[in-house]
Amino acid sequence: AQKITQTQPGMFVQEKEAVTLDCTYDTSDQSYGLFWYKQPSSGEMIFLIYQGSYDEQNATEGRYSLNFQKARKSANLVISASQLGDSAMYFCAMRETVSGRDDKIIFGKGTRLHILP
Amino acid sequence: DARVTQTPRHKVTEMGQEVTMRCQPILGHNTVFWYRQTMMQGLELLAYFRNRAPLDDSGMPKDRFSAEMPDATLATLKIQPSEPRDSAVYFCASGLVFRDWAYEQYFGPGTRLTVT
Repeated sequence: AQKITQTQPGMFVQEKEAVTLDCTYDTSDQSYGLFWYKQPSSGEMIFLIYQGSYDEQNATEGRYSLNFQKARKSANLVISASQLGDSAMYFCAMRETVSGRDDKIIFGKGTRLHILP
Repeated sequence: DARVTQTPRHKVTEMGQEVTMRCQPILGHNTVFWYRQTMMQGLELLAYFRNRAPLDDSGMPKDRFSAEMPDATLATLKIQPSEPRDSAVYFCASGLVFRDWAYEQYFGPGTRLTVT
């Protein structure tokens, strides 16, 4: 079963508009973490934001915020006031515990975001 | 500005040759991951280490791949013999738990491997 689902393979958004990238996850753990990464065409993976499952407040980092809805198991990334430089591939990832001790991080398939001038 | 470094950045080799990729994690990070990224499969976790000990390498083809951490500043991923289907970008990432379940993970620039 897929652990991380990103249902939008591609999105086109006008510059300066807000963007929401969807991510749903599947876990039976109580303790887990959720990440978003940006991968521009240069290929590097850039860490954007992290949300722990016990964090009561939604994580925010500058123009990025994570809309964490635990009951719905969703962790959508919101980018406010989009810029041309936001055009990239975006990956949602989850850190979960394996065997009660170790943890691993697994990634969704990604959403390619295109910002239009 | 702490970064994960990887060498080489690009590697072209012939089928059957040995390939060794190196990674220097961020100083102080206690977890190191190896990922492979292809268009078809996306990002796949190959192996990871915690405090230099291998924790999980179930994502790695054991007959040809091996991952080691000879010391805290060096992680290696080796393919022997290499095959064309190994062509991909290989990322190393290092991570640290800095409070209960809070976590940071940073990626290196990747090694683009082409096996002909």
